Amino acid sequence: EAQVTQNPRYLITVTGKKLTVTCSQNMNHEYMSWYRQDPGLGLRQIYYSMNVEVTDKGDVPEGYKVSRKEKRNFPLILESPSPNQTSLYFCASSSPRTGGGYGYTFGSGTRLTVV
Amino acid sequence: SQQGEEDPQALSIQEGENATMNCSYKTSINNLQWYRQNSGRGLVHLILIRSNEREKHSGRLRVTLDTSKKSSSLLITASRAADTASYFCAPERNSGNTPLVFGKGTRLSVIA
Repeated sequence: EAQVTQNPRYLITVTGKKLTVTCSQNMNHEYMSWYRQDPGLGLRQIYYSMNVEVTDKGDVPEGYKVSRKEKRNFPLILESPSPNQTSLYFCASSSPRTGGGYGYTFGSGTRLTVV
Repeated sequence: SQQGEEDPQALSIQEGENATMNCSYKTSINNLQWYRQNSGRGLVHLILIRSNEREKHSGRLRVTLDTSKKSSSLLITASRAADTASYFCAPERNSGNTPLVFGKGTRLSVIA
């Protein structure tokens, strides 16, 4: 089944403890992206990657890191989480965008709470 | 901004009625996409309409696009309780080097 898999689904952590949220897709998509969703603010893009070893900042990259060492994986790293990073996180991927117009496939989300 | 803005923010209807949601955007686009999000879940791609199309259908969904007004609408006919979700539009600006930007969505409640 074609899908984007995020882990974990739920995570409660303490301030300052480094964590990684994994994202993997099995569709050979070149494009991958991370979003966070907060009440009243909609989805905001954190980082995206057009291809292996190519990453770019989105609208809210502060406090996050990403890497794209292989096409299928795009982990989101919080080096020193803070309570304002408590949010619902989504990973998404899309096929090559040479002509545009390819829909995104989203993961099921990771609900992160930082206390 | 490439972001689409959905209107209304919230919509409540009875089962069996039609639901119409609107989207406005500011830049020229190649296409516009609509997504659905069930509470707390990932977005699901519903339909894409290209800039040279005016209307597109998919099951109970009908999407229109008016590039002169920079607006789109999503119509869900004969709504069901299972259609309760948030709906987002995402205008795609060019041939693919600009990521999709999502707005705050329209929250649709279908009451049985």
